[in-house]
Amino acid sequence: NAGVTQTPKFQVLKTGQSMTLQCAQDMNHNSMYWYRQDPGMGLRLIYYSASEGTTDKGEVPNGYNVSRLNKREFSLRLESAAPSQTSVYFCASRPSGDPYEQYFGPGTRLTVT
Amino acid sequence: AQSVAQPEDQVNVAEGNPLTVKCTYSVSGNPYLFWYVQYPNRGLQFLLKYITGDNLVKGSYGFEAEFNKSQTSFHLKKPSALVSDSALYFCAVRDFRVKAAGNKLTFGGGTRVLVKP
Repeated sequence: NAGVTQTPKFQVLKTGQSMTLQCAQDMNHNSMYWYRQDPGMGLRLIYYSASEGTTDKGEVPNGYNVSRLNKREFSLRLESAAPSQTSVYFCASRPSGDPYEQYFGPGTRLTVT
Repeated sequence: AQSVAQPEDQVNVAEGNPLTVKCTYSVSGNPYLFWYVQYPNRGLQFLLKYITGDNLVKGSYGFEAEFNKSQTSFHLKKPSALVSDSALYFCAVRDFRVKAAGNKLTFGGGTRVLVKP
């Protein structure tokens, strides 16, 4: 199993450009998550999807949209990138129920100039 | 509401010495508690979790953590640190009484551990 995969690994955008971060998992997990990691602030939840066909806002959803394309894939879109969105983005997944932990992808480092 | 505090931004320890990374939490009910480790340019890796039962939890790579309900703490420990333990460590909590969709975790700000030879 590849686990959780993310593409791209690195990306540089100009302010106002758009892009989609891709995430896929092959563990048949129901729940998927998008986080951003900024120094000293830990991981903050952007959006999550408890199951295929559902998505909900997390702690910092402004400026982002998500799509749960199917059970495997959960994408994060920046419609008009801003320098404040410079961050490292992590996707995670977990099985349903408790007390399962989350499994993380390798991350995407995004710089917005 | 649930929250996690990691009071130390960085912990320095000599190789072979005991390592402790502190974590305190706040939840309205009973907690599920997790520790994750992040090596440079990598995603987070699960180390261990407390759900219920024995207050001392053993995990991967020789790490353990002690749950203390009265002090609302879940400190990560390793008896003898290795240089390869140098990484960023995150504590996370979920209130298992909260039946919200998604089983969301709240993460602390992270503690950087530097183990010197």
